[in-house]
Amino acid sequence: GNSVTQMEGPVTLSEEAFLTINCTYTATGYPSLFWYVQYPGEGLQLLLKATKADDKGSNKGFEATYRKETTSFHLEKGSVQVSDSAVYFCALRSGGSYIPTFGRGTSLIVHP
Amino acid sequence: DGGITQSPKYLFRKEGQNVTLSCEQNLNHDAMYWYRQDPGQGLRLIYYSQIVNDFQKGDIAEGYSVSREKKESFPLTVTSAQKNPTAFYLCASSISTSGNTIYFGEGSWLTVV
Repeated sequence: GNSVTQMEGPVTLSEEAFLTINCTYTATGYPSLFWYVQYPGEGLQLLLKATKADDKGSNKGFEATYRKETTSFHLEKGSVQVSDSAVYFCALRSGGSYIPTFGRGTSLIVHP
Repeated sequence: DGGITQSPKYLFRKEGQNVTLSCEQNLNHDAMYWYRQDPGQGLRLIYYSQIVNDFQKGDIAEGYSVSREKKESFPLTVTSAQKNPTAFYLCASSISTSGNTIYFGEGSWLTVV
């Protein structure tokens, strides 16, 4: 079956630090990959996505590259801000099932 | 604006009561989903529906029920059989095919009093 594994949180950084949140997956077929962000008390918002190998999704300074050879989709940002503090979810949808599979989420805390 | 509307945002339930959470979307999406999120935890799938008048149990369907009488509406009823219903509930929708984004509502907080 499909699965998504994210690094454990919380990830705690100072403002302007470099961010990496690791995400690896197992899936049947060729999945589409997503990163979602959840601010406290709100629903999930799409941050970025990639639909085929070597695609790079990017938005608001965040980037992630679809690496088929390592089955990974790591989220990166060169300089985080306090306003980036949130929970980040990696997810996939595979042709074998339209039901999305989510990781457990990684909490990011950015200090001034 | 297109989107998913969940209501109410906050709901309190007494022991033994059924409560219904509303979810409406105007995105013309075929598929709709209900997730439960406990504090500090990930998402768990309760029910999902791919088309009108059809729905399937997810991983934690016990104590919940749904209906899909209209494409745009997918209400969730939390029954008295759900022994620990206090949680954050998220409704989502998408086009059925796998490459497409899943969109979420703002969520509903349910608390047992």
